[in-house]
Order: sequence, then C-alpha cells, then structure tokens
Amino acid sequence: GENVEQHPSTLSVQEGDSAVIKCTYSDSASNYFPWYKQELGKGPQLIIDIRSNVGEKKDQRIAVTLNKTAKHFSLHITETQPEDSAVYFCAAISNYGGSQGNLIFGKGTKLSVKP
Amino acid sequence: NAGVTQTPKFQVLKTGQSMTLQCAQDMNHEYMSWYRQDPGMGLRLIHYSVGAGITDQGEVPNGYNVSRSTTEDFPLRLLSAAPSQTSVYFCASSYGTVPTEAFFGQGTRLTVV
Repeated sequence: GENVEQHPSTLSVQEGDSAVIKCTYSDSASNYFPWYKQELGKGPQLIIDIRSNVGEKKDQRIAVTLNKTAKHFSLHITETQPEDSAVYFCAAISNYGGSQGNLIFGKGTKLSVKP
Repeated sequence: NAGVTQTPKFQVLKTGQSMTLQCAQDMNHEYMSWYRQDPGMGLRLIHYSVGAGITDQGEVPNGYNVSRSTTEDFPLRLLSAAPSQTSVYFCASSYGTVPTEAFFGQGTRLTVV
C-alpha cells in the first residue's frame, strides 16, 4: 500500500528563519497532498494542500512544492514565528489497497521556533 | 458551525470494558473517518464511511466497530478494551467521498488499564 515518509522528525529554528519539512510517497497514482498543523492538545488543522496537476502553491508565509517524478513534496515556512511551533503532518491520498481513497499520514515533524 | 464534535474528551477504561466514542459533524459531509494517534506513529486509519449506511475498514480495524445510520454521526465502538487501544482518537470529515480538505475533531484521549 501507500507509504508516506516524513523528515525530519524534529526541527528547531530561530525566529525569523525558514523551515522546510520533506515527505516522500510511494504510490505514483496519489493525487492529493495536504499538510496539517497540530498544536498541543488539539486536533490536526489543514494549513495548505496541493494537487498533482500543480507544482507549487503559496499562502502567505507557507508554501508547498510537489515533484511528481521524484514522488516527494515539501512544506516551506518563511519568517517563522513562535506560534508556528507545533507538530506538522504530511499526507497523501492512497488509491489502492485497504485504505483506497483515504489519507495516509507521515509520522510528523515537531517544529520548535525559538524567540 | 460547531464543525466536528467528539465526546468524551478523556476516558479511562478497564480491560474488557466496552464503550462508544461519539463523533458528530454539522457540515453535511459525506466522508467521515476515525484515526488513532500513537507517539511516533502519526495518524492511522481505523474505519471510514463515504455516506450513511456505508462503512469500510482502514489500516487498523481490529477491535473496533462503526456504524453510520445518519449523515451527521459516526460512532466508534470498542468491543472489549485492551491496553493496546490506549491512544488518542480523532474523527474527521470532508465534503464528498474522498478526504480532501478534511476537518478534524479535538480528539478523545483513551486510557485502558
């Protein structure tokens, strides 16, 4: 089935620096790639997503890039702020196997932004 | 809009007990799902539904049952709780029959002793 790997597992940056989180996926038929932010004690919240017909998408300080050939996609956060500190999850929609048409998540990246 | 509402927020069970985790959404979403979140494991799909009367298994369905009698509600039943089911459970919903732009509830932290 689909497998999504996410790196790094932890990331610490200084306020104002950029942060990059990378994910790879195995199913070449996957066509939807969301990123979720999870703050302590809360549920995941969608922050940005990208579909396979687009190579890049931006929303203010966050952007996602997709390389279909290499089967990887990345989250970029610029001008980081302390409130960006959270766990970030990437995901892909699987198109085969027991979770067909469902989200398969990476294991998460804990981002810490130091003032 | 309340979004996705999960109850209870916290629960402690003894091994062998049964219970139902409630999930309700008020967005008229067709797709609903349950995930469990364990340290270092990300979110793993337990069961999902693409509409009332339709349910299917995800990656880790053993020990759990679901039903979908209405569009709004998608309860998760633990038949005989085991310590391995200690986890944080999240319900999610989305418009349509695939989980694009999914909304998550706040979670239920379950401890089985």
